[in-house]
Amino acid sequence: SAVISQKPSRDICQRGTSLTIQCQVDSQVTMMFWYRQQPGQSLTLIATANQGSEATYESGFVIDKFPISRPNLTFSTLTVSNMSPEDSSIYLCSVEVVIGWYWGDTQYFGPGTRLTVL
Amino acid sequence: ELKVEQNPLFLSMQEGKNYTIYCNYSTTSDRLYWYRQDPGKSLESLFVLLSNGAVKQEGRLMASLDTKARLSTLHITAAVHDLSATYFCAVEPANAGGTSYGKLTFGQGTILTVHP
Repeated sequence: SAVISQKPSRDICQRGTSLTIQCQVDSQVTMMFWYRQQPGQSLTLIATANQGSEATYESGFVIDKFPISRPNLTFSTLTVSNMSPEDSSIYLCSVEVVIGWYWGDTQYFGPGTRLTVL
Repeated sequence: ELKVEQNPLFLSMQEGKNYTIYCNYSTTSDRLYWYRQDPGKSLESLFVLLSNGAVKQEGRLMASLDTKARLSTLHITAAVHDLSATYFCAVEPANAGGTSYGKLTFGQGTILTVHP
């Protein structure tokens, strides 16, 4: 398995400001993913972060709004820029880990960062 | 575009009863995941299903996959209160060219409440 931590766990921010969320994994992983879960909703993939290359963004998400860094194989950051109340969500990072022939690869999620924008 | 649909979205069960949550998806898939989410918490991995006919069981939960029907089920046996949570299925599309690796599309979630 993988142990994933995120900082901060929650924050309340003012409109127009930016917040950087950190994701730390206890083992080296090739790919990390960032998801958003809006209140009462399911999860939506924002982007894929590979070490040493630019993040790839899903439809509806752009680098200017959600810049991502991936400086090494255990760490990534997601910045939510120029925030508005519509950005209030839980932001989760995840990693895919091979755990064995029976269980296959599985994707583990961090505890999430609960963001409220006023 | 891959679509993943769960039903039911809300499920109220009595303790001791059995029920099934269904997950349909629209395109070929390499992997299908089931997750549990408790209120205010992150996602807990329950199962990953890799091939047609795959069946996995853990305690009172059993998951299966029919890739021809593009359908997965999560069967709950003799429900207990501790199973109350939101359950998500998530699909990783078929990995042509490697560009879809790890990219999950989630269903809407099924809110399960088990009551005495």
